[in-house]
Parts: sequence; structure tokens; C-alpha cells
Amino acid sequence: GAGVSQTPSNKVTEKGKYVELRCDPISGHTALYWYRQSLGQGPEFLIYFQGTGAADDSGLPNDRFFAVRPEGSVSTLKIQRTERGDSAVYLCASSPGSGRKNTEAFFGQGTRLTVV
Amino acid sequence: QQQVKQSPQSLIVQKGGISIINCAYENTAFDYFPWYQQFPGKGPALLIAIRPDVSEKKEGRFTISFNKSAKQFSLHIMDSQPGDSATYFCAAGSSGSARQLTFGSGTQLTVLP
Repeated sequence: GAGVSQTPSNKVTEKGKYVELRCDPISGHTALYWYRQSLGQGPEFLIYFQGTGAADDSGLPNDRFFAVRPEGSVSTLKIQRTERGDSAVYLCASSPGSGRKNTEAFFGQGTRLTVV
Repeated sequence: QQQVKQSPQSLIVQKGGISIINCAYENTAFDYFPWYQQFPGKGPALLIAIRPDVSEKKEGRFTISFNKSAKQFSLHIMDSQPGDSATYFCAAGSSGSARQLTFGSGTQLTVLP
């Protein structure tokens, strides 16, 4: 597609449940990022993929959070045993990954996760 | 070391006026400084970006001024319009191994008609 696509746009889950959030990056973009945005705050980095591998996962808050990108395109962010504090907008971004504009990151519309 | 400090938190400008948002960073490894515009319920949209080899970049009504020695950069919106009302985020990143962006806390801009 033309832009970064994230599904679902909204997700409501009960505390303790498992959720998966999906990201379809811009075609041809090798770099993919997950960020989390709390209300009234800027996005906070979670994890960065270059191709299929996680190049930097230093932003993942704890071991309940995990992300994969098995074929170097679509990525899934997985959250186990969700807590109310996980409620936020989860943003995915992609960038070319190489060349002069390798860091130009384009964001999806986000998935609003609400843990009740 | 990784913080990007943004001010003001909110800004109200009359239509046709100039909006100015400021950011400061600490990490000298940063070499890429984008600005994003975000409307409610939408993801951040890349507005304009600068690298430290230039001190100013202009695209239409939007200008970034960059002061490498002071580790500061700012966004100027000339002839501000009501449609510019949004939240603006500065960010900083590195073209090295750590590609992720560090964002400021945002500025909510309101342009009065």
C-alpha cells in the first residue's frame, strides 16, 4: 500500500489477556519501528527491525512485550498478560533503511490499546 | 543524554502570525532532526527535517533553524493558518546503528481565525 497500515485501529482487552498488533510497512522499506504514545506525550521507542532481525529492542519495557518480523515485511507486536498501564497508542513506522533518506520514518495511524 | 526538550507546551497564534517551537538536545551523536505534525486520532506525519551540515532549511511556510554549537533547533511556521492547528513534535535521531528517533514532549498549536 501507499502508507504504513496498522490493524486493528482500536483494541479493548481485559487485564491479563494476550494481544497482537499488526503493522504493514511501506513496500520496500527495510527498517521498521514500534513506538508507544501515551496521552499528551511524544512517541517512545520500543523496538527497531532492520530486515527480519531486531536491531535494537532496548525500548521494550519488560519481557511481556515481544515483536517479530519473520519475512522482513509485516511485523507483529505481542503483549502478554496485559496490564492497565499498557493502555496507549502503539505506533508503527517504516523507513527506507539505506541511502540518503534512510532515517526518514513514516508512521501509521496507530492502534489504540485499552486494557480494562 | 537521550532527552529532547521541547517548548512551549502549548501555543496560541493569530491567523497570519508566526509560530515558533523550540527544541534542545544533549546527545552529540544525533545527526538527523525531523519535525512531525500530528492531528487527533492520527499518526505523526513527517513535516520537514534537517541534518547538521546546514543551519536552515525552508519548505514552503515551514523553516527549521539549527544551531549545532548550542544543540538547539526550532520550527518556524510563517503565515500560520487555522489548518495548522495540531500537535507538533521535534525529534532527533542518528544515521548510525541506533536509528530510532527520540521525541520531544510536543507542542499543541492553536491558530485562531
